[in-house]
Amino acid sequence: KAGVTQTPRYLIKTRGQQVTLSCSPISGHRSVSWYQQTPGQGLQFLFEYFSETQRNKGNFPGRFSGRQFSNSRSEMNVSTLELGDSALYLCASSFGTIGFGGELFFGEGSRLTVL
Amino acid sequence: AQKITQTQPGMFVQEKEAVTLDCTYDTSDPSYGLFWYKQPSSGEMIFLIYQGSYDQQNATEGRYSLNFQKARKSANLVISASQLGDSAMYFCAMSLNQAGTALIFGKGTTLSVSS
Repeated sequence: KAGVTQTPRYLIKTRGQQVTLSCSPISGHRSVSWYQQTPGQGLQFLFEYFSETQRNKGNFPGRFSGRQFSNSRSEMNVSTLELGDSALYLCASSFGTIGFGGELFFGEGSRLTVL
Repeated sequence: AQKITQTQPGMFVQEKEAVTLDCTYDTSDPSYGLFWYKQPSSGEMIFLIYQGSYDQQNATEGRYSLNFQKARKSANLVISASQLGDSAMYFCAMSLNQAGTALIFGKGTTLSVSS
């Protein structure tokens, strides 16, 4: 069973540019959530998509956006990049139905460096 | 506001010894889930154990157990018989939604296991 796949794994951008990151969830998973990890702020929840709809959103500026396609694949976009956007961006997938249980599977992340 | 606190930036333990990683949480929601994840240097997040707020017994998964003290709002992770491969960053997390697909994380504890 293939895991969560994130592309690209590494990328370098300059301030002011925009970037799009991609996440392919585990087959059958309908929920995709995104997290930003930095040394200073730690792991922070960005947003979650379920069946193509944004279901939850963290406290990030509007420069951060995302979407989910009918096949559950998700993309997140960051526009007008700032130096502080340098981070590891982690994607996680799950069935997304009601009920806890720890069924959140993470990808290896996309490491973004903004120069 | 919901919050997770991990007060131990780093912990050191010898092989075969047990170690406890501390986690306290704050929420006014009576229904929540608590999670522990391991992050090796490769970057991916590995799910370890889950505890629901209504669970009467402490969760256990192999060498991992969660010492859940609801009145104290603590959810400490106990690793028995530490192994060299346990060296990693450990994160305590709490669900932000009923589906458990949006998590708030603590700052993490770096565990170093020596032979």
